[in-house]
Amino acid sequence: EVQLVESGGGLVKPGGSLRLSCAASGFTFSSFELNWVRQAPGKGLEWVSSITSSSSLIYYADSVKGRFTISRDNAKNSLYLQMNSLRAEDTAVYYCTRDFAYWGQGTLVTVSS
Amino acid sequence: QLVVTQSPSASASLGASVKLTCTLSSGHSSYAIAWHQQQPEKGPRYLMKVNSDGSHIKGDGVPDRFSGSSSGAERYLTISGLQSEDEADYYCQTWGTGTPFGGGTKLTVL
Repeated sequence: EVQLVESGGGLVKPGGSLRLSCAASGFTFSSFELNWVRQAPGKGLEWVSSITSSSSLIYYADSVKGRFTISRDNAKNSLYLQMNSLRAEDTAVYYCTRDFAYWGQGTLVTVSS
Repeated sequence: QLVVTQSPSASASLGASVKLTCTLSSGHSSYAIAWHQQQPEKGPRYLMKVNSDGSHIKGDGVPDRFSGSSSGAERYLTISGLQSEDEADYYCQTWGTGTPFGGGTKLTVL
């Protein structure tokens, strides 16, 4: 069974940093592209970033480019999102997803002073 | 620019059928899309991928009463025999620059 479990969310002040993790199991992690998608309170889904299986190609939404960094460790079956220079508008539940066909339960990031 | 558009809301009666629409922007009518369901206070769930020829590939455990189809730049999700648990937000999503999601359709089961 495919499982994706996010962690690392929390309350952070504007300008601060946070690192999200996504632990994967139930599939050959190194074979699949992975993505981060977020959902602000009461809003729709917004794609944040994608990384190919070997990390050779990485993509970011314009709203996070230059501030967020996606990475993965295929030996640890883990996906990461390093978030720097956080803003209030980054407040959202962050989901890890494998080809948008499998989703984690999400982790809440709140950016507030 | 690749954009997918959805109506913000839809409603139908318990036991009836409803057809939700996702429209691809001009020049992108050959693109496949995916439908996702998000029940209240839950994370998204993948329902199916719908190709431009109307073929669709469902996710694990998705009931038979969910089906997909296509016409031109429009992709559809049809839910038959509506049940109360089908009341949810439904998002379409495609692949390409920005990997856009539609704004979602809130389905109310009357």
